[in-house]
Amino acid sequence: AQSVSQHNHHVILSEAASLELGCNYSYGGTVNLFWYVQYPGQHLQLLLKYFSGDPLVKGIKGFEAEFIKSKFSFNLRKPSVQWSDTAEYFCAATNQAGTALIFGKGTTLSVSS
Amino acid sequence: GAGVSQTPSNKVTEKGKYVELRCDPISGHTALYWYRQSLGQGPEFLIYFQGTGAADDSGLPNDRFFAVRPEGSVSTLKIQRTERGDSAVYLCASSPRTGGYNEQFFGPGTRLTVL
Repeated sequence: AQSVSQHNHHVILSEAASLELGCNYSYGGTVNLFWYVQYPGQHLQLLLKYFSGDPLVKGIKGFEAEFIKSKFSFNLRKPSVQWSDTAEYFCAATNQAGTALIFGKGTTLSVSS
Repeated sequence: GAGVSQTPSNKVTEKGKYVELRCDPISGHTALYWYRQSLGQGPEFLIYFQGTGAADDSGLPNDRFFAVRPEGSVSTLKIQRTERGDSAVYLCASSPRTGGYNEQFFGPGTRLTVL
């Protein structure tokens, strides 16, 4: 079965620290990849997405992610986190039929000021 | 503009009862999705509508779950004979076009608690 794995369950950082959240997906072939974020009390919203082309994707709020096909990975990065980045982050991939998103379990990021 | 809305925001019911959860997608969005999110997990796909028809219902856990979208806009997720294991946040998402590369816009969810 297709799956998406997120390596870190809970990450705690101080403001200005660099962030990298791991994400791996389990299948080859054409894949569409996403990172969604859920801020406290808010609904899921898109951070960035990869469909094709440049494997380094830039999203909102200074986030970026790199698609490495050989490693089946799509890690999320930010050079300097802020307190307002405290949230839950979900990596997702489109299923092979293109009809749904398969989500990882999520990573909770806590940033202290 | 208005986002995806879901009602009710919270629903508490007793084991064995029937519940309906409603989703109003963004106006004009063709594709509509239902997901279920249990505590500590990511959203899990339930069903996908393309227009009025269910194009993929492979995620529905059993025949107690059913969803409709009769006019191609509002959708209702129906759960019969609820069980305690059905307790979760039920999320609805919509997308302007079909196709896996399109962004899905999520609603706030309905938190269902089965006592």
